[in-house]
Amino acid sequence: AQKITQTQPGMFVQEKEAVTLDCTYDTSDPSYGLFWYKQPSSGEMIFLIYQGSYDQQNATEGRYSLNFQKARKSANLVISASQLGDSAMYFCAMRETRRSGYSTLTFGKGTMLLVSP
Amino acid sequence: AAGVIQSPRHLIKEKRETATLKCYPIPRHDTVYWYQQGPGQDPQFLISFYEKMQSDKGSIPDRFSAQQFSDYHSELNMSSLELGDSALYFCASSARGGDYGYTFGSGTRLTVV
Repeated sequence: AQKITQTQPGMFVQEKEAVTLDCTYDTSDPSYGLFWYKQPSSGEMIFLIYQGSYDQQNATEGRYSLNFQKARKSANLVISASQLGDSAMYFCAMRETRRSGYSTLTFGKGTMLLVSP
Repeated sequence: AAGVIQSPRHLIKEKRETATLKCYPIPRHDTVYWYQQGPGQDPQFLISFYEKMQSDKGSIPDRFSAQQFSDYHSELNMSSLELGDSALYFCASSARGGDYGYTFGSGTRLTVV
């Protein structure tokens, strides 16, 4: 079963507008972490923002903020004042503890964001 | 700041050949992870090492093997390559099991022809 769900295969936004990328997750582990990564066409995986399951406040990093609603199991990424350089694939990922006792990241299918002038 | 270094960046191999991908994690990171990302797909976890010992296995084919060496660099060895192995292979490293996040390398793009 998919543990990270990103329901938006693609999103369009105009430059300088805000955009929200959706992410819902499923886990029974009380301790987990949620990450957002940006992958431009060049392929590298760029870390954007992190939210821990016990964090009381929503994470923010510059123009990125994470709308964390624990009861709904959602961790949406909000990008304010979009820029042309924000055009990329965005992945939501969750750190969870596997049966081995070690943790790893599980990714969603991603959302392609296109920013137009 | 030092990042995760992967080599080579690009690799072209023929079917049934072997390939070796290298990864140099961030110094003092204790865990290394390998991921495979097929075209248009999300990254899939292959294998991880904690303090040079294999800690977990994901969807890694039996034709693939990996190890972490005394200097903490890791190598992913792929044999009997198939067309379907064409993908972007990421290495990532973390400290304390990912409590402080995961840093990804730039990836190795493997093309099997």
